[in-house]
Amino acid sequence: EADIYQTPRYLVIGTGKKITLECSQTMGHDKMYWYQQDPGMELHLIHYSYGVNSTEKGDLSSESTVSRIRTEHFPLTLESARPSHTSQYLCASAGIETQYFGPGTRLLVL
Amino acid sequence: QKEVEQDPGPLSVPEGAIVSLNCTYSNSAFQYFMWYRQYSRKGPELLMYTYSSGNKEDGRFTAQVDKSSKYISLFIRDSQPSDSATYLCALGEKRYSGGYQKVTFGTGTKLQVIP
Repeated sequence: EADIYQTPRYLVIGTGKKITLECSQTMGHDKMYWYQQDPGMELHLIHYSYGVNSTEKGDLSSESTVSRIRTEHFPLTLESARPSHTSQYLCASAGIETQYFGPGTRLLVL
Repeated sequence: QKEVEQDPGPLSVPEGAIVSLNCTYSNSAFQYFMWYRQYSRKGPELLMYTYSSGNKEDGRFTAQVDKSSKYISLFIRDSQPSDSATYLCALGEKRYSGGYQKVTFGTGTKLQVIP
C-alpha cells in the first residue's frame, strides 16, 4: 500500500485567498506529480518533479506553483484562489514506473 | 485524436458477470500499461501493471495487452458490487533512462455492478 498523504482533504475558501495544498510521501520516491480532476472527468497533469529542486509544468496550464525542497514533500500553492480553481487536486509519486496516488484534496472556491 | 481512447460508460452489469474494460492507443512509444480503480471522491488506486503483450492475472482481475493492435483490456471475473467504481487505463513511456516518465491516462469507464 502506498504511503502518500494529502492535506487538507476538503477546503472551502473565498476568492482571493492564498492556499497551499500539502502532499507528502514516505516511500523515498524521486518523481512526484500534481493532477487536476473535475467530477467525472479525466486527469490532467499540471505539475511534476524529477527530484529535489526540479519542477516542471504539465500538460494543462495552471495558475498554481509548486516547490520541491525535500524529497518527501511537494506542496502546491495558489496565490489568489478563484472559483475557476474549484476542482479535485490529486498528488502522486512514482519510483521506477508506476504512480501511486494520494486521496486528493477537494477545493471549493466561493 | 487522443493518444488513449477509453469508453466512458457507464457500464452496468449484474453481480457475478464477467466485465471487460478496454482502451485503445495510438502511440507506439508506450512501454508499460496500468489499470487504476477510482472510487467516488477518492484517489486512483493501482490495480495492475504489465510491460509485455499477453495476459497477467491477479485474483479476479486479468490485464491483457495486445501491442500489435494497440489494445489493452481489463477483465473482472465474478464481479461484485464492491467493484463498482471508475476504472482508468494508464499507459507509460520513458522519455529517457531514469528520467521523466510520461503517463497518459484514459478518461475512465464507470462500472456499476448490480446485486
